[in-house]
Amino acid sequence: RKEVEQDPGPFNVPEGATVAFNCTYSNSASQSFFWYRQDCRKEPKLLMSVYSSGNEDGRFTAQLNRASQYISLLIRDSKLSDSATYLCVVSGQGGSEKLVFGKGTKLTVNP
Amino acid sequence: EPEVTQTPSHQVTQMGQEVILRCVPISNHLYFYWYRQILGQKVEFLVSFYNNEISEKSEIFDDQFSVERPDGSNFTLKIRSTKLEDSAMYFCASRTGPGTEAFFGQGTRLTVV
Repeated sequence: RKEVEQDPGPFNVPEGATVAFNCTYSNSASQSFFWYRQDCRKEPKLLMSVYSSGNEDGRFTAQLNRASQYISLLIRDSKLSDSATYLCVVSGQGGSEKLVFGKGTKLTVNP
Repeated sequence: EPEVTQTPSHQVTQMGQEVILRCVPISNHLYFYWYRQILGQKVEFLVSFYNNEISEKSEIFDDQFSVERPDGSNFTLKIRSTKLEDSAMYFCASRTGPGTEAFFGQGTRLTVV
């Protein structure tokens, strides 16, 4: 089983749509969770950390379910500028502080 | 806003040559990382560095690779004898501590010919 799994997409949605991405991780000892976005041939940029109680940042909402080892990201009112690849990232497995990346989910928001 | 900076942005080298990729992490960060991303693939961990020593490395990080923090600001990745399969984007990242958010540099695109 892959350490971090994501639906690769692509997701093609119209402007204004709501879109949800899911991610599962295999190591139950994981401690820290993040969503990054990556534009084509650019560096991963932090979108938000994911907390156990769930958290929201503007149009973005992240949820964590430790029992199911599942992380989600919801984007409301999609903008053209949201088009990117969204990377689920997990860290802190068994004392390791490396970031483990999913392969990413590609989103295209269409006018 | 503080940022991680990497140089060069693009490097072309001949197979068998040595390359040094440079990074300046964010100044108050204590944990440093190198990652790579082969075109079309996921971001892969290479090595982490804390307290002037390697804290963890992946299977990819073999004897051809080394890291150094030669002074208080630079963090370098050296590949001694490049192979064609080393062609990738190499990202440096830093964070203040365990569990905190990591910030990435803009990357160095390494092309081995």
